[in-house]
Amino acid sequence: GESVGLHLPTLSVQEGDNSIINCAYSNSASDYFIWYKQESGKGPQFIIDIRSNMDKRQGQRVTVLLNKTVKHLSLQIAATQPGDSAVYFCAEKKDGNKLVFGAGTILRVKS
Amino acid sequence: SQTIHQWPATLVQPVGSPLSLECTVEGTSNPNLYWYRQAAGRGLQLLFYSVGIGQISSEVPQNLSASRPQDRQFILSSKKLLLSDSGFYLCAWSVQDNQPQHFGDGTRLSIL
Repeated sequence: GESVGLHLPTLSVQEGDNSIINCAYSNSASDYFIWYKQESGKGPQFIIDIRSNMDKRQGQRVTVLLNKTVKHLSLQIAATQPGDSAVYFCAEKKDGNKLVFGAGTILRVKS
Repeated sequence: SQTIHQWPATLVQPVGSPLSLECTVEGTSNPNLYWYRQAAGRGLQLLFYSVGIGQISSEVPQNLSASRPQDRQFILSSKKLLLSDSGFYLCAWSVQDNQPQHFGDGTRLSIL
């Protein structure tokens, strides 16, 4: 069935380096994607979204890239900080406003 | 600005007992509302969503039900809890399609 998955379950980066978190999706008809950050014991926090008519979108220290040819989504975090340590989820819109979430990637920032 | 509240934050219940988790949204009208469950170390599974008062769609067969008695109130219930109902329950809202969903801080439910 349709699914959204992540390539790496855990990513460790040095403070100050850039982080790249990847996500693959299988539904070529999906037209809306979101990245969330979830800290321990809290609900997911919206980071950035992108629609399928765009290839790239930038926020504060974050960039989302969408490659529809290979159905790949990535989140880039510039100058990663200890406060960026969390689980990151990609989500794909399915059927109206229902989201399908990936399993998540743990980002660990080493000081 | 919009805010979402869930309570309680944690709950310990015996098997077979009833459940009622409440979620309210402030600062917006006629939001889409959602209930998710998250197993430990896993992604989110959509349980129910609602596009308006009294309108509930169920995504997976289960021991739970949802109700929306008011525009900005969403309730998750069970008549008899099972051990498998343990988990982290999250409520979310969105303005409309193709807009991000915003989550509450969840309820950690443990069934003994």
